[in-house]
Amino acid sequence: QSVLTQPPSASGTPGQKVTISCSGSSSNIGINTVNWYQHLPGTAPKLLIYSDNQRPSGVPDRFSGSKSGTSASLAISGLQSDDEADYYCAAWDGSLIAWLFGGGTKVTVL
Amino acid sequence: QVQLVESGGGVVQPERSLRLSCAASGFTFSNYGMHWVRQAPGKGLEWVAVIWHDGGRKHYADSVEGRFTISRDNSENTVYLQMNSLRAEDTAEYYCVREVGTGTTGGHFDYWGQGTLVTVSS
Repeated sequence: QSVLTQPPSASGTPGQKVTISCSGSSSNIGINTVNWYQHLPGTAPKLLIYSDNQRPSGVPDRFSGSKSGTSASLAISGLQSDDEADYYCAAWDGSLIAWLFGGGTKVTVL
Repeated sequence: QVQLVESGGGVVQPERSLRLSCAASGFTFSNYGMHWVRQAPGKGLEWVAVIWHDGGRKHYADSVEGRFTISRDNSENTVYLQMNSLRAEDTAEYYCVREVGTGTTGGHFDYWGQGTLVTVSS
């Protein structure tokens, strides 16, 4: 049911900026907001960005979100070793009547 | 503080049933929509089901429709997932999740439990 497309991997050196894309359609990203989650193995996923570009309290401003049309992006600036994790975008799909997650992007800090 | 504690996972044979529970605390449970999200070994996150704050609406992923049932008891601050006719592909870590803004364009999952593992195997 997943129709949100993310690249499987992304990488960068400490201090660099990494951007992760999330492509959807007019029934999900096109009309509903996008959320981003960070997931480290063995832990509960954590809300990173909500409503396209809002950060929950406690999330560093190195993390930012944006959206245009049916695509969204998550940017991580000033990359740190702690940022190594899987990142997922998510949006409600009004046609499928279902929440969709992207396939996830594994970020590696070189 | 908000806490979501899942229980009920384990090893079960194919075609058998299992019921997961999620005990919530630290917030007014009856004000929030609740979800189950799962992650199969080596795979990504997959949304399973949602139940509205008052239990009035429920929706399911196609992969579990007709086999799984989500329910809640607002007097006990607990959400359940009844899983019937289990298949090997249902093997996953199951997370209980709270949603802010259920039914709005700005809904998002703000708190997740630690998960409970379900293994379907003969």
